[in-house]
Amino acid sequence: NAGVTQTPKFQVLKTGQSMTLQCAQDMNHEYMSWYRQDPGMGLRLIHYSVGAGITDQGEVPNGYNVSRSTTEDFPLRLLSAAPSQTSVYFCASSPAGQGAYEQYFGPGTRLTVT
Amino acid sequence: SQQGEEDPQALSIQEGENATMNCSYKTSINNLQWYRQNSGRGLVHLILIRSNEREKHSGRLRVTLDTSKKSSSLLITASRAADTASYFCATDGGTGRRALTFGSGTRLQVQP
Repeated sequence: NAGVTQTPKFQVLKTGQSMTLQCAQDMNHEYMSWYRQDPGMGLRLIHYSVGAGITDQGEVPNGYNVSRSTTEDFPLRLLSAAPSQTSVYFCASSPAGQGAYEQYFGPGTRLTVT
Repeated sequence: SQQGEEDPQALSIQEGENATMNCSYKTSINNLQWYRQNSGRGLVHLILIRSNEREKHSGRLRVTLDTSKKSSSLLITASRAADTASYFCATDGGTGRRALTFGSGTRLQVQP
């Protein structure tokens, strides 16, 4: 299994541009989440999904959209990039079921907005 | 806002010594997890402790949980240079949901 994959690894955007960060998992996990990590800080939750067709906002959702049309994919869209969105973005997945709380993280996408 | 806050922010020790990191959180929890992040990489799950547990072991890791003080500690015994990483605690905010709230992390440097 590839686990959780993210593309691209690096991206530079100009202010106002839009783009989609891709996330895919091949473990048939129900739960998927997007986090951002700013320098020297922990992760903050942007959006999450408890299954295909169901998404919800996290702690810092403004400026981002998500959709979950399949179990495998959970793309994150930046609508109009701003320098404040410069960060490292991590996607994570987790299986359903009682006691299965461990999250599996992708390698991250490093985004710079100029 | 960060649910968990780790202490210390940075820790430097010699190989073979023990490393202790502490985490405080603000709300009720169903479980608390610890993750490791090597520089420039994603997070890796280390251990989970449930709210009704007080201590848990996994290899060289020992985690304690005090729900009355809303705090947890992670002890790494006989540390190795390969343990050099950032360590984060994460909680579910009492909801049992899979999306977590992370602390700001402890950066551990193990000198060979």
